[in-house]
Amino acid sequence: DAGVIQSPRHEVTEMGQEVTLRCKPISGHNSLFWYRQTMMRGLELLIYFNNNVPIDDSGMPEDRFSAKMPNASFSTLKIQPSEPRDSAVYFCASSLVPNQPQHFGDGTRLSIL
Amino acid sequence: GIQVEQSPPDLILQEGANSTLRCNFSDSVNNLQWFHQNPWGQLINLFYIPSGTKQNGRLSATTVATERYSLLYISSSQTTDSGVYFCAVYAGGTSYGKLTFGQGTILTVHP
Repeated sequence: DAGVIQSPRHEVTEMGQEVTLRCKPISGHNSLFWYRQTMMRGLELLIYFNNNVPIDDSGMPEDRFSAKMPNASFSTLKIQPSEPRDSAVYFCASSLVPNQPQHFGDGTRLSIL
Repeated sequence: GIQVEQSPPDLILQEGANSTLRCNFSDSVNNLQWFHQNPWGQLINLFYIPSGTKQNGRLSATTVATERYSLLYISSSQTTDSGVYFCAVYAGGTSYGKLTFGQGTILTVHP
């Protein structure tokens, strides 16, 4: 079975540009999570969806960040405009339902110059 | 919110040695996961363990939820075990469904 698929694997862009990260969860999983990993803050949850509905976005750092889940097999995390401090590894994860084991994608390494 | 503390922060072993990693959490949890982040950055599920003991090959884990800790045992370590080990907990209430991660234990296994 395919795992969680994220694209792109690496993204390098200049400050001020729009960045879109993509995620395809495991088929049949109803919960989807976006995390960010930095050296300073470790792994932190940004937002999670259940049945395509955002449940908790309290971890989204500011209005420059937005996330959507238009259907059960696709989600995006968008940063507009991007800033150097957004540089991090962004992970997407999915689970069958909340509180069941989460399975992570390989992450997107984002560098904002 | 719930606090998750892992110890030790760093661990250096010779191949073949055994080790124990600890995870303490500040409040009751609904569940707990252990992950291994390999040198390529991938987060690999090791265990989903609300209580009791589970084993998978050379690795085993024990969670004592009433005392708010979990242990990860690695026996006969190999160089491929190197990486960062994370403990993450599911708290209840308003944190339902959310994983809170510890800061990790960095393990280096030398040949």
